[in-house]
Amino acid sequence: NAGVTQTPKFQVLKTGQSMTLQCAQDMNHEYMSWYRQDPGMGLRLIHYSVGAGITDQGEVPNGYNVSRSTTEDFPLRLLSAAPSQTSVYFCASRPRGTQETQYFGPGTRLLVL
Amino acid sequence: AQTVTQSQPEMSVQEAETVTLSCTYDTSESNYYLFWYKQPPSRQMILVIRQEAYKQQNATENRFSVNFQKAAKSFSLKISDSQLGDTAMYFCARRAGSYQLTFGKGTKLSVIP
Repeated sequence: NAGVTQTPKFQVLKTGQSMTLQCAQDMNHEYMSWYRQDPGMGLRLIHYSVGAGITDQGEVPNGYNVSRSTTEDFPLRLLSAAPSQTSVYFCASRPRGTQETQYFGPGTRLLVL
Repeated sequence: AQTVTQSQPEMSVQEAETVTLSCTYDTSESNYYLFWYKQPPSRQMILVIRQEAYKQQNATENRFSVNFQKAAKSFSLKISDSQLGDTAMYFCARRAGSYQLTFGKGTKLSVIP
């Protein structure tokens, strides 16, 4: 199993550009989520999904869109990048049960100029 | 908003010594899960230990153990026989009946040779 994979590892964008951060998992996990990590802030939840076709907002959803057309993939879209979106982005997944532990991807570092 | 608080932004410990990292949280749920994650310079999020709130026994994983005080809403991490590889950011996190984790801001631990 590859676990949770994220692409790209690092990206530089100009203000106003759009892009999609990719996330995939091969563990057949129902739950997937996106977090951002800023210095001194810990990780904060952006969006999450409890299954294909179902998504919901987390703590900091503004400026981001998600969709979940398959169990495996959960892309995060930045429609018009802003410098405030400079951050490290983590995708995570876990099975449905409440006792289950979350698995994290390696992260994508995004710099918006 | 329900929060997780780590009151020690930075700590250091001599190699082979013991160190305790503090975490307090709030929640209105009766059943929830608590986690400690380690983030080394590689940025990978690694689960260190987890505790289920309905279990009174403190969790242990080799050199890592927790002191879970449910009434005080305290969840500290003790690292025994500290090793150089323990140098990392440590995040306390809570999941309370919903799907997402709420993280503290982290404690930067340095193990000194």
